[in-house]
Amino acid sequence: KAGVTQTPRYLIKTRGQQVTLSCSPISGHRSVSWYQQTPGQGLQFLFEYFSETQRNKGNFPGRFSGRQFSNSRSEMNVSTLELGDSALYLCASSLGLGESLEQYFGPGTRLTVT
Amino acid sequence: KNEVEQSPQNLTAQEGEFITINCSYSVGISALHWLQQHPGGGIVSLFMLSSGKKKHGRLIATINIQEKHSSLHITASHPRDSAVYICAANFGNEKLTFGTGTRLTIIP
Repeated sequence: KAGVTQTPRYLIKTRGQQVTLSCSPISGHRSVSWYQQTPGQGLQFLFEYFSETQRNKGNFPGRFSGRQFSNSRSEMNVSTLELGDSALYLCASSLGLGESLEQYFGPGTRLTVT
Repeated sequence: KNEVEQSPQNLTAQEGEFITINCSYSVGISALHWLQQHPGGGIVSLFMLSSGKKKHGRLIATINIQEKHSSLHITASHPRDSAVYICAANFGNEKLTFGTGTRLTIIP
C-alpha cells in the first residue's frame, strides 16, 4: 500500500505570494491533518479534515486555509506569504476521526519564503 | 495548559548502549505517541499507547498514567538509530501537542 505523498517536496516563494501544497493520504484513510515544523516553534497542528469538512483548527492566522476533496486528497493554501512561513509542512493521514488513531506522516514540503 | 516536555534535548551515546528518552505531560491524555524524524524531515510513527508497555524490535515504550510520564528505550543502540525522537500527546479531543524533540546521536 502506498504511503502518504506530498507535492511538491521543495518550494521557494517570495513574500506576498501565495502557495498551495498537496497531500494524498493512504488509500482508505479519510482523515488528513496538517502540521507546520519550524526550528523555533517545533511541530504545531494546523488543521484536520475529514469527509471534506474541517474538523479541528490550530492557532494560525486566516492566511492559512485548506480543503479536502471527495477522494480524501487535501490541499493547504497560504496567502500573502511572510518570511516566518518558511517551514516544513507535514501532512498525516489516519483511518478516521479519533484522537487515538495512529497517524501516518508524509515526507513533507519544505517551503522557503524569501 | 496542555504541555509536553521531553528530556534530554540532545543525547550522544556509543554504539551498543541502552538509551532512554523521557516525556512528561501536564494533564490527562487519551494517547501518547512516539515519533522518529530522520534528517530530511520524514516522520515515522513508532508507538501509540495509552497504558502499559509496547515493544517493537529493539524499541520499547512505556507509559505511567498516574505519574503522567512516558519513556522510550532503545536497546543495543546502532548508528542508524540516530534521529530526532518526538513525543506527542492527545489531550482529550484535541489534536496532537508535540514535545520539542530529543536529538539522538549514536557513535560507532
